[in-house]
Amino acid sequence: DAGITQSPRHKVTETGTPVTLRCHQTENHRYMYWYRQDPGHGLRLIHYSYGVKDTDKGEVSDGYSVSRSKTEDFLLTLESATSSQTSVYFCAISHGTSGYEQYFGPGTRLTVT
Amino acid sequence: GENVEQHPSTLSVQEGDSAVIKCTYSDSASNYFPWYKQELGKRPQLIIDIRSNVGEKKDQRIAVTLNKTAKHFSLHITETQPEDSAVYFCPRVGDMRFGAGTRLTVKP
Repeated sequence: DAGITQSPRHKVTETGTPVTLRCHQTENHRYMYWYRQDPGHGLRLIHYSYGVKDTDKGEVSDGYSVSRSKTEDFLLTLESATSSQTSVYFCAISHGTSGYEQYFGPGTRLTVT
Repeated sequence: GENVEQHPSTLSVQEGDSAVIKCTYSDSASNYFPWYKQELGKRPQLIIDIRSNVGEKKDQRIAVTLNKTAKHFSLHITETQPEDSAVYFCPRVGDMRFGAGTRLTVKP
């Protein structure tokens, strides 16, 4: 499992509340990613990081922010959750070069009511 | 960045038959071609990948072939089993676009 954990694994929250999801890795990989997965859309990249304090936007970044203050942790924040952000969120890391050999965490199922 | 098109979107085969999923790309500079498998309710997992300096790679019942002239690469699964039922993805590595993938169903 490439030493990747996500927390929480499940969360139900109300519209308008802030939510932070955490991705933790134990193998010192440079590249980390946040995806969301919805039926019919496959996986869509939200944000990614290429080092401590180095992040960039992905395909569906609106409404999300990220932070990476330590190599091992990559946080995804929904500042004000909306029902459209109900989804399964996956964190991933890359061995070596960005995009190559991605290994995924177990996922977080987020429900916004 | 490169564009990847994946076909078919759904595929149903009888157990024991072979399955082939094809991805085409547009950027001649592409040099890495991975395949991911995602079983229902689980995380995506890298199952096989190939670099542009190799034409074919095998791992037991799965293989990936690369045709650089035609700009496509394919996933081949032989002697399919029910546990091969999953969604398979060939992401666009440049910007990590996975698309909806191919849903493979293996009927026992």
